[in-house]
Amino acid sequence: GAGVSQSPRYKVAKRGQDVALRCDPISGHVSLFWYQQALGQGPEFLTYFQNEAQLDKSGLPSDRFFAERPEGSVSTLKIQRTQQEDSAVYLCASSLGSPVEQYFGPGTRLTVT
Amino acid sequence: AQKVTQAQTEISVVEKEDVTLDCVYETRDTTYYLFWYKQPPSGELVFLIRRNSFDEQNEISGRYSWNFQKSTSSFNFTITASQVVDSAVYFCALVAGGGNKLTFGTGTQLKVEL
Repeated sequence: GAGVSQSPRYKVAKRGQDVALRCDPISGHVSLFWYQQALGQGPEFLTYFQNEAQLDKSGLPSDRFFAERPEGSVSTLKIQRTQQEDSAVYLCASSLGSPVEQYFGPGTRLTVT
Repeated sequence: AQKVTQAQTEISVVEKEDVTLDCVYETRDTTYYLFWYKQPPSGELVFLIRRNSFDEQNEISGRYSWNFQKSTSSFNFTITASQVVDSAVYFCALVAGGGNKLTFGTGTQLKVEL
């Protein structure tokens, strides 16, 4: 079956631009997670949804980061006024519930110039 | 707070050698879950195994085996007869505290050469 998909795979943004990253979870997965992975580091948690409810956003680094999942399926991570430190790979994962295993998408590599 | 330590940054072995990747975790919770993920050069994290804190039985899956020891807070991963296709970054991760988020270690880069 289809896995988690993310788009775009690569995004180059000029400093100050807004970006939107999309995640399509595995069908039927109620839990959805966003992680940020800097070069040479492990992924770091950003936020978590159960269906359409955002239950944990403790990892969002600033109020420039915003995530939504309005219909409990597709999710969008938005970053406003991008900064160079936002350059990273953004990973989306989904699971049937928690704390069962999370299945990851291929990620979106964001480069802010 | 939870923490996962993977002290080995990079390991290089020759094909067919056995290799063990170390993972040490910290949590005050009695209920927690441990995971291993593989990240090949393509970048997509691949789930390998999940263990819960109440099950200390070691597990074997083909050439892969895992040794969970609560006494030393370790969850080590051994690849037997390594192959070039095993080359990847391997991450150990933890879920604890009744939460849902994965806390990852910094990963171990495994290079298997001919």
